[in-house]
Amino acid sequence: SQTIHQWPATLVQPVGSPLSLECTVEGTSNPNLYWYRQAAGRGLQLLFYSVGIGQISSEVPQNLSASRPQDRQFILSSKKLLLSDSGFYLCAYRARGEEQYFGPGTRLTVT
Amino acid sequence: GQNIDQPTEMTATEGAIVQINCTYQTSGFNGLFWYQQHAGEAPTFLSYNVLDGLEEKGRFSSFLSRSKGYSYLLLKELQMKDSASYLCAVKDNYGQNFVFGPGTRLSVLP
Repeated sequence: SQTIHQWPATLVQPVGSPLSLECTVEGTSNPNLYWYRQAAGRGLQLLFYSVGIGQISSEVPQNLSASRPQDRQFILSSKKLLLSDSGFYLCAYRARGEEQYFGPGTRLTVT
Repeated sequence: GQNIDQPTEMTATEGAIVQINCTYQTSGFNGLFWYQQHAGEAPTFLSYNVLDGLEEKGRFSSFLSRSKGYSYLLLKELQMKDSASYLCAVKDNYGQNFVFGPGTRLSVLP
């Protein structure tokens, strides 16, 4: 069966500090991978998606970046966090079907 | 542009039926999805429509009209555990960009 993992579950970081969130998928190969952000009380915003190793498409210009160093690994990074980066970060994958499946999420608070 | 509208909040009684509407205006269309999201948790997939009509899955049904840019999610025999946000999402023509609506927060009362 397919599973998706994200870590850490929660994170509190000061403004200006770096960020690295990791997502891994098991039980499938060559999935499409996605990073979303959900601000408090708001909808999901697609940040990045990837259709293969090293292939990243950005949907929103910002101080975040993404990388896919391995087939089932997706990393979200920032060199300097802003207060506005606070939110619930969700990784998702799409395998054979049309639907996406989400990881448990990382709740990031920038102070 | 991309725009998806849903009611912000709805309230219903345990055992009743509720219909959550979603209207969309997107640059392309390649499928519509409904997700359920409990507070503090990740969304979970409920249904997928790409052709007009009704898709039924247990207590949940989803309807799509592409010509009207309209969908609804129908929940029958409501249970307390159905209290959650329900997200409508559209996949665009390129097949990779998923646009999510703001979500509808449903409260089921005893």
